[in-house]
Amino acid sequence: GENVEQHPSTLSVQEGDSAVIKCTYSDSASNYFPWYKQELGKGPQLIIDIRSNVGEKKDQRIAVTLNKTAKHFSLHITETQPEDSAVYFCAASINDYKLSFGAGTTVTVRA
Amino acid sequence: GAVVSQHPSWVICKSGTSVKIECRSLDFQATTMFWYRQFPKQSLMLMATSNEGSKATYEQGVEKDKFLINHASLTLSTLTVTSAHPEDSSFYICSARGQGKETQYFGPGTRLLVL
Repeated sequence: GENVEQHPSTLSVQEGDSAVIKCTYSDSASNYFPWYKQELGKGPQLIIDIRSNVGEKKDQRIAVTLNKTAKHFSLHITETQPEDSAVYFCAASINDYKLSFGAGTTVTVRA
Repeated sequence: GAVVSQHPSWVICKSGTSVKIECRSLDFQATTMFWYRQFPKQSLMLMATSNEGSKATYEQGVEKDKFLINHASLTLSTLTVTSAHPEDSSFYICSARGQGKETQYFGPGTRLLVL
């Protein structure tokens, strides 16, 4: 099955700086890559997703890039704010829609 | 749009009892719902996939007689933890997906504590 690796496991950034989280996947057939943000005690919230026919997608301060050849995709958060502090999960799926999740990255934004 | 609710948000029960958790899609029809389990500081582990009107598909290692799933309608799926034991204590999260859609929307989760 699909194996998704996520790095780093923890990330501390100064408010206003950028944060980058990277994920790699094993199955070249994967074609859908969502990113979720999970705050303590809550369910994951979709923040952005990208499909394999697109190399980059941006939504305000959040962007995702995909390199199909290298089988990796990244989340970029610019101008970080304290409310960006959370656990972020990447995921990948093939056409059967089951998501394979990365291990998660705990992001802390220092004020 | 795309709101998923879960009930209850918290449940404490005695060992040996059964607990039912409801997952509802509030503003869309969910042809597929997923049930996950999450331990502290860990990722989400898929337990089973349920399609409306059919039997759930369980992941390897998940006991189907222990975790009963019913997807009775396009807006409701239930997970029943039967004869719960302390090791079943966890955070249970459902997600829902509309027909022909890839995006899964997650519920807020249910924290189960078995004493």
